[in-house]
Amino acid sequence: KQEVTQIPAALSVPEGENLVLNCSFTDSAIYNLQWFRQDPGKGLTSLLLIQSSQREQTSGRLNASLDKSSGRSTLYIAASQPGDSATYLCAVTEGSQGNLIFGKGTKLSVKP
Amino acid sequence: NAGVTQTPKFQVLKTGQSMTLQCAQDMNHNSMYWYRQDPGMGLRLIYYSASEGTTDKGEVPNGYNVSRLNKREFSLRLESAAPSQTSVYFCASSERPYEQYFGPGTRLTVT
Repeated sequence: KQEVTQIPAALSVPEGENLVLNCSFTDSAIYNLQWFRQDPGKGLTSLLLIQSSQREQTSGRLNASLDKSSGRSTLYIAASQPGDSATYLCAVTEGSQGNLIFGKGTKLSVKP
Repeated sequence: NAGVTQTPKFQVLKTGQSMTLQCAQDMNHNSMYWYRQDPGMGLRLIYYSASEGTTDKGEVPNGYNVSRLNKREFSLRLESAAPSQTSVYFCASSERPYEQYFGPGTRLTVT
């Protein structure tokens, strides 16, 4: 059974720091991997989608990498800002149905 | 273009009552999903619909039923609510197996 783990569970950094969030998964047979952002009391906002054939995706200050063989993905946030404070969720897609299996998230706090 | 919409936003039920959560998407996606989010458990799939007219169970289907009314709409029904069904419910859609888009959620409390 696929399991997705995110470390650390919580992270607090000063504004301006570059940071890395980690995601690992136990079965490398995935279709894709998606990173989401969730603000308190809100829904999920998709940040980046990496197809299984890709190594990385970039959007603005965000860069996500995927290493299928080792079962790992990282989300790199450059020059962090207080507005980046949120919970970041990693999820993998298994099978053609597209069902997502989620990690429990990393709660990020960026201090001014 | 509203994306994925869900109604209601909040609901309080007594044990044994029934209700239907509504979800609609305007992106012409074939696939739709229902998840629940619980503290310490993360998001888990309840049911999904790969296309209009089909539905399949996910990881935690017990106590729920679904209907794919048409391509746009996918509803989740609780026939006899239990306190264990207190959760936040999210609907999502995608053109599988690609990027999933989520609705704002329904916060349900069962007393």
